[in-house]
Amino acid sequence: DGGITQSPKYLFRKEGQNVTLSCEQNLNHDAMYWYRQDPGQGLRLIYYSQIVNDFQKGDIAEGYSVSREKKESFPLTVTSAQKNPTAFYLCASSIWGNTIYFGEGSWLTVV
Amino acid sequence: EDKVVQSPLSLVVHEGDTVTLNCSYEVTNFRSLLWYKQEKKAPTFLFMLTSSGIEKKSGRLSSILDKKELSSILNITATQTGDSAIYLCAVENQGAQKLVFGQGTRLTINP
Repeated sequence: DGGITQSPKYLFRKEGQNVTLSCEQNLNHDAMYWYRQDPGQGLRLIYYSQIVNDFQKGDIAEGYSVSREKKESFPLTVTSAQKNPTAFYLCASSIWGNTIYFGEGSWLTVV
Repeated sequence: EDKVVQSPLSLVVHEGDTVTLNCSYEVTNFRSLLWYKQEKKAPTFLFMLTSSGIEKKSGRLSSILDKKELSSILNITATQTGDSAIYLCAVENQGAQKLVFGQGTRLTINP
């Protein structure tokens, strides 16, 4: 079945560590996105990519990095520079100009 | 700066009641407004609205866009406990290929 797969679903990070969240889609979508969700703040855009080997910062890119080496994959690295990384992270994809579809999300907790 | 504001932030009603959720926006070069329902995991798509005054309907849910007032409403009639969720409104602008989300409305339906 076509869809967006995020992994892991739950991740614990020690302070000072970098962690990478995986996002894979088999929908043949050009565009992919990473959002962060905190209580009372809706979804905020971290990074997005319109095409392979290209990506742009969203509204809260500081402390995060991404890569887009393949159309299907858009991993997000939460670096130690991100001061408050505990949140729910959602990956999404779309065909240019069409509805955005979301993965199941990943919960990241700093311990 | 593009902005989406939803109201109320939280709403508790009894099963069978009708509810109206509001979304207002400020965005350059508006393209579309979308409503999503989020239960425990990823948001699921409800409606995309691009034209003012045309109601979109799906079962007990309906939504309409007012471009003059820069707003949209989502109506749910004969509510059921399964309607309990966070309802997210998002706006897309031309060319940016990204969504700006509101804070969401947390709807609780009590039996």
